[in-house]
Amino acid sequence: KQEVTQIPAALSVPEGENLVLNCSFTDSAIYNLQWFRQDPGKGLTSLLLIQSSQREQTSGRLNASLDKSSGRSTLYIAASQPGDSATYLCAVSGRSGGGADGLTFGKGTHLIIQP
Amino acid sequence: SQTIHQWPATLVQPVGSPLSLECTVEGTSNPNLYWYRQAAGRGLQLLFYSVGIGQISSEVPQNLSASRPQDRQFILSSKKLLLSDSGFYLCAWSNRGVNGYTFGSGTRLTVV
Repeated sequence: KQEVTQIPAALSVPEGENLVLNCSFTDSAIYNLQWFRQDPGKGLTSLLLIQSSQREQTSGRLNASLDKSSGRSTLYIAASQPGDSATYLCAVSGRSGGGADGLTFGKGTHLIIQP
Repeated sequence: SQTIHQWPATLVQPVGSPLSLECTVEGTSNPNLYWYRQAAGRGLQLLFYSVGIGQISSEVPQNLSASRPQDRQFILSSKKLLLSDSGFYLCAWSNRGVNGYTFGSGTRLTVV
């Protein structure tokens, strides 16, 4: 059974710092990996999707990498801003069924950017 | 473009009452549909998924059921709610996982 772990569980840094969020998964046979952002009481907003054949994806100040063989992904946030404060979730989809059987989530990293 | 709608946004229900949460997707056909629950202090748990009309797979035995009466409609139900059914319920869709998963805005259910 796939398990996803995110470290750290919480992080508080001053504005302007670059930071790295870590995600690991136990079964490397994944279809893809997706990073989400969740604001308090809200749904999930997709940030980056990495297919299993890819090594990284970039969107603005965000960069996500994937090392499938070691079961790891990192989300890099450059020049952090107070608006980046949220919970960041890592999720992987299983290879069987072509990813149709849904995502397995980590418990998230609660990020606070201090002004 | 594709959109996903969930309602209601919040719901307070007494123990033993029935439940019906609805999710609809627009702008795509034959999507995979999912129901997740996020309980306080816990991660997101997949409850049900569906790859087509009338096809429901359950991931966790529980007090809930799901139905897909139309291609782009997914309903989460319960005949009698328990206190432990409280949580944040999220609907999601994907195109066989190819382009990732898109989530609705969620329903906050409180059972009292």
